[in-house]
Amino acid sequence: DQQVKQNSPSLSVQEGRISILNCDYTNSMFDYFLWYKKYPAEGPTFLISISSIKDKNEDGRFTVFLNKSAKHLSLHIVPSQPGDSAVYFCAALMNYGGSQGNLIFGKGTKLSVKP
Amino acid sequence: ETGVTQTPRHLVMGMTNKKSLKCEQHLGHNAMYWYKQSAKKPLELMFVYSLEERVENNSVPSRFSPECPNSSHLFLHLHTLQPEDSALYLCASRRGTEQFFGPGTRLTVL
Repeated sequence: DQQVKQNSPSLSVQEGRISILNCDYTNSMFDYFLWYKKYPAEGPTFLISISSIKDKNEDGRFTVFLNKSAKHLSLHIVPSQPGDSAVYFCAALMNYGGSQGNLIFGKGTKLSVKP
Repeated sequence: ETGVTQTPRHLVMGMTNKKSLKCEQHLGHNAMYWYKQSAKKPLELMFVYSLEERVENNSVPSRFSPECPNSSHLFLHLHTLQPEDSALYLCASRRGTEQFFGPGTRLTVL
């Protein structure tokens, strides 16, 4: 059973608008969440993260929001640019316990930003 | 450029072949990972090495055999694979909570 779910396989947004990518998780033991971005023919690259003690983390155009009670996080990109077109993976990990440091990934959401 | 390199970038092999994938990092990280990415599936963790010792094997078939001779190198030896093993194989190393990925090897099994 998937512990990290990205229910939208794709998202299309106009340049300059906001992109919102969503991620849900089932394991309440997860205490750290990351977003990775992947271009074709490249490995995923780290984008932004958030600890479970926070509900928001911002880095330039990228903001991640965490709603622990709903077990939901989202990545906001404002304003969206054509260069943001990529596959975005949500990942979660437990800092403690038997699977310490192992990332659990969602299936990814393919974002297309149209000029 | 993450500092994690993988070779080859592309590999086509028959089901009776033996081949190896190589991963290298000189970032000083002491945990390394193999992942498999198949179409329309999440990244699947295959193996975890910490300080050159395998600490996790995620129920991976024995036709995949990892090797970590030192903290900078990780291999994945492939033997009698099946067509369904065709996928992108990604290596990663870890610093703290963040993992750094290589570009992957696109494997096709005929």
